[in-house]
Amino acid sequence: EIVLTQSPGTLSLSPGERATLSCRASQSLTTTLLAWYQQKRGQAPRLLIFDVSSRATGVPDRFSGSGSGTDFTLSISRLEPEDSAVYYCQWYGKSPYTFGQGTRMEI
Amino acid sequence: EVQLVQSGAEVKKPGESLRISCTTSGYNFVTYWISWVRLMPGIGLEWMGRVDPSDSFVSYSPYFEGQATVSIDKSINTAYLEWSSLKPTDTATYYCARHFSSGSEFDIWGQGTMVTVTS
Repeated sequence: EIVLTQSPGTLSLSPGERATLSCRASQSLTTTLLAWYQQKRGQAPRLLIFDVSSRATGVPDRFSGSGSGTDFTLSISRLEPEDSAVYYCQWYGKSPYTFGQGTRMEI
Repeated sequence: EVQLVQSGAEVKKPGESLRISCTTSGYNFVTYWISWVRLMPGIGLEWMGRVDPSDSFVSYSPYFEGQATVSIDKSINTAYLEWSSLKPTDTATYYCARHFSSGSEFDIWGQGTMVTVTS
């Protein structure tokens, strides 16, 4: 089973800054089947990025994903207060569809 | 518009049974897998299991196998998550989510159902 470890656990940044969130897999992912989700307080998760670097419909281009092998990154530029949320990575290459433990970001 | 609408919050006693629902609309129900995901404070999101509505095949996370049961009713485009004997540790928010395609990312989520198990 793939284990995803996200870092940092929490992140506090200011509006206009850039965030870099990390997701490390316990073994090399041979496919690009990694997604990122945003979950704001009291809301359902929202798909941001799929297939490592493809933005979901309606997601601003301030959000970008990259990586390969065991190391993956979600970058968010020009941070806005509304970006405050917990961000999760997920591997969906094979069941079980593992989530990372999340990074909480406060703007 | 594609929607997944879940049943309302529940408060139950340990040992009681419960079934929560996820009613879909706006797309062909049998075409897309549905997963259930648990959110516990301090733990984060955990994938529980998924169902393929085309043949009702269910796959569970090893951790949740035997803990809860996933099922569907194709006649009303609805997926279910069911417990036969709740425990206080089942207290959490549960989400259903649609796979964009078989074995793919979760593109649409339900609003969540909060389940509280307390004596």
